[in-house]
Amino acid sequence: NAGVTQTPKFRVLKTGQSMTLLCAQDMNHEYMYWYRQDPGMGLRLIHYSVGEGTTAKGEVPDGYNVSRLKKQNFLLGLESAAPSQTSVYFCASSDLGGKTDTQYFGPGTRLTVL
Amino acid sequence: GDSVTQMEGPVTLSEEAFLTINCTYTATGYPSLFWYVQYPGEGLQLLLKATKADDKGSNKGFEATYRKETTSFHLEKGSVQVSDSAVYFCALSVINDMRFGAGTRLTVKP
Repeated sequence: NAGVTQTPKFRVLKTGQSMTLLCAQDMNHEYMYWYRQDPGMGLRLIHYSVGEGTTAKGEVPDGYNVSRLKKQNFLLGLESAAPSQTSVYFCASSDLGGKTDTQYFGPGTRLTVL
Repeated sequence: GDSVTQMEGPVTLSEEAFLTINCTYTATGYPSLFWYVQYPGEGLQLLLKATKADDKGSNKGFEATYRKETTSFHLEKGSVQVSDSAVYFCALSVINDMRFGAGTRLTVKP
């Protein structure tokens, strides 16, 4: 039982390049989330999904797209990377998404945009 | 909007000292409250939670009580260990939306 895994762990991009971050969970959770973590700002929600085939915007969605084609996977895409997107990205999942639900986090992806 | 404010760090303590990390919240409804911990190089892990007023969450010697009257959820531990060194995040949750504080880095010295 691996929990939540993220690929890759590290990535360096040049401005304007594109990339996709992959998140996978093996807990059969309905809800999945993408956050970014910046110094002094905690975690901020980028996009989330309440089930296979659905996505919704979070607090800071601009410049990102997501897809949830399979229940266990949640992809985060950057179409044209900018230095402001340098951050650590965390994926999380939860069972039912209610306000009492615990979110389970992956180990993170450190992205640097030059 | 809903938000969490937590004590700025870093916090440095000696082993066996008493720990308090303050957390206050602003919310329009009745959120659940959480403390998550992040060890170096890892993702966040749930430390404890409380889902309604006056609930006390506890785990691994850490405690926090959901105080509606003071809108607070302060984290406490009576005797910290070197292994408690980590970043601690206070968070609140309404449906589909979890808001995190900025995090407090704790270092415990032997």
